[in-house]
Amino acid sequence: DTEVTQTPKHLVMGMTNKKSLKCEQHMGHRAMYWYKQKAKKPPELMFVYSYEKLSINESVPSRFSPECPNSSLLNLHLHALQPEDSALYLCASSQTGDTQYFGPGTRLTVL
Amino acid sequence: AQSVTQLDSQVPVFEEAPVELRCNYSSSVSVYLFWYVQYPNQGLQLLLKYLSGSTLVKGINGFEAEFNKSQTSFHLRKPSVHISDTAEYFCAVSGGNDYKLSFGAGTTVTVRA
Repeated sequence: DTEVTQTPKHLVMGMTNKKSLKCEQHMGHRAMYWYKQKAKKPPELMFVYSYEKLSINESVPSRFSPECPNSSLLNLHLHALQPEDSALYLCASSQTGDTQYFGPGTRLTVL
Repeated sequence: AQSVTQLDSQVPVFEEAPVELRCNYSSSVSVYLFWYVQYPNQGLQLLLKYLSGSTLVKGINGFEAEFNKSQTSFHLRKPSVHISDTAEYFCAVSGGNDYKLSFGAGTTVTVRA
């Protein structure tokens, strides 16, 4: 089973709202990732958690705040976003640093 | 650091015809190579991967790819495409256990009847 789940599937929020994206995997993977993908572009890495610790932050603005409550869950907390933050947000996981398995994504629209 | 170049941004192809998507990479270390497919409004699905061993890799949905170290290429092929293969295809490379996956710009495959 190589399934990564993400909720919600779609999210519309205003610039003053606070919302969270959730990601879950039950493959026993030790690394989890957040990516941002704009239309017709490849995914861009935002954060990497390894063994529940933040190991990579690709200079992401502080209005995005990741959290890894346990080895199966990954959250992305959103606050005071801008319209240009509208995108598909993808979660991925991997056992080590090689093969990453992606979830279906959350389509975020910021009004 | 690694980088990937997908040589074709768009590939139109007729149903039941063969297709080849070209991918070249650059890296100063040994690499792991991947092809992912993204159907409209979906996430990325792993088609196949090369980590080591045989240079001819077979994946899902009838796709295969060949790792060529001397030409630093990892081209994806399918002998006969279906309408359902219409999607965006991404080639990606990683340097091993560094957690960073470098993607190519993507190739849009459109299959016509």
